[in-house]
Amino acid sequence: DAGVTQSPTHLIKTRGQQVTLRCSPKSGHDTVSWYQQALGQGPQFIFQYYEEEERQRGNFPDRFSGHQYPNYSSELNVNALLLGDSALYLCASSTPGQEYSGANVLTFGAGSRLTVL
Amino acid sequence: RKEVEQDPGPFNVPEGATVAFNCTYSNSASQSFFWYRQDCRKEPKLLMSVYSSGNEDGRFTAQLNRASQYISLLIRDSKLSDSATYLCVVNPRGGYQKVTFGTGTKLQVIP
Repeated sequence: DAGVTQSPTHLIKTRGQQVTLRCSPKSGHDTVSWYQQALGQGPQFIFQYYEEEERQRGNFPDRFSGHQYPNYSSELNVNALLLGDSALYLCASSTPGQEYSGANVLTFGAGSRLTVL
Repeated sequence: RKEVEQDPGPFNVPEGATVAFNCTYSNSASQSFFWYRQDCRKEPKLLMSVYSSGNEDGRFTAQLNRASQYISLLIRDSKLSDSATYLCVVNPRGGYQKVTFGTGTKLQVIP
């Protein structure tokens, strides 16, 4: 049973460029959340996708956008990259069925490490 | 005030020691609580959920104090393999609401 897969694992971009990160959720999961984790910090919620729509969004500018496909896979796009966007970007999947149990257990992918020069 | 606060540590403890971490949260409507473990440069992985009555999983015990709005994690008989960052996670409401992570507490178990 494949877990959450993310690609690419590492990438280097320069300021002003655009980047697309990809995520395939764990089998049986239909909800995808994206997090940004800067060095020494906890993951910060970017947004969550369910049924191909953005359902929740954290405090991130519009330069951060996303998409979810019918097969539940998701993309995170970041435009006009800034040095401060350098971070580990984590994708996490879950299933709404877990909501009714009072839990929202997230399964994380290994992340995409973005360096902006 | 941050939504979820943790002492960043590091906590340096000898093998076999007992260590405890606390985490405070600001949203009194929070309903779900978890501890995640994150190894260096790896993804976070669920360690355990935290239930209102407290719960135990082997050497790990989690407690919730709703009145004071904090959760705790106790690790007994620390192993070298317990060295990691422990992230406190709070969910304001079940399921659809975004979960909030603390900054993490770093634990280093020393031989």
